[in-house]
Amino acid sequence: GNSVTQMEGPVTLSEEAFLTINCTYTATGYPSLFWYVQYPGEGLQLLLKATKADDKGSNKGFEATYRKETTSFHLEKGSVQVSDSAVYFCALGGYTGGFKTIFGAGTRLFVKA
Amino acid sequence: NAGVMQNPRHLVRRRGQEARLRCSPMKGHSHVYWYRQLPEEGLKFMVYLQKENIIDESGMPKERFSAEFPKEGPSILRIQQVVRGDSAAYFCASSPGQSGTNEKLFFGSGTQLSVL
Repeated sequence: GNSVTQMEGPVTLSEEAFLTINCTYTATGYPSLFWYVQYPGEGLQLLLKATKADDKGSNKGFEATYRKETTSFHLEKGSVQVSDSAVYFCALGGYTGGFKTIFGAGTRLFVKA
Repeated sequence: NAGVMQNPRHLVRRRGQEARLRCSPMKGHSHVYWYRQLPEEGLKFMVYLQKENIIDESGMPKERFSAEFPKEGPSILRIQQVVRGDSAAYFCASSPGQSGTNEKLFFGSGTQLSVL
């Protein structure tokens, strides 16, 4: 079945450092890929998405490229801020015994001033 | 334009009691999904519903758990005879179409269930 694997956290960075959070997936067909962010005490919010191979999703300085050859969708940001501290979830939308979105385990990011 | 509304925000139950969690999707959304989040874990899919129909309940335990999305009113996730292992955050999400396409999900703020 479809699945998503993302790097374990927590990830701790200093402000203005470069961020990479790795995400790989297993899927049949042509899924859509998403990154969601969860701030403390809140539900998830969509950060960015890509719907086909080689698409790049971007938002608020974050970006991720849908790489079919490596089945990856790594999240990157060139310069993180304290306000980026949150939990980041990689997700896959497609048919896996029914249409639903599958989430990775989440990666907690701490950014120090 | 209200988002996805979940209530209560916090729910405390003793072992053996029933828990009822409510979710009102965004206006115009007819697809509702329930997920469970355990501490330091990701979101686990439980059930996908459209109005008056359960489309996919493959992630929901066969016993004690049930879900509905009636023609009128919110979606309800019901847990009977709760046990300590049911303690978790339960999130509801909605979308205008099937989330397996390129539709994004809109999440509520969740209900934190604590079983004493």
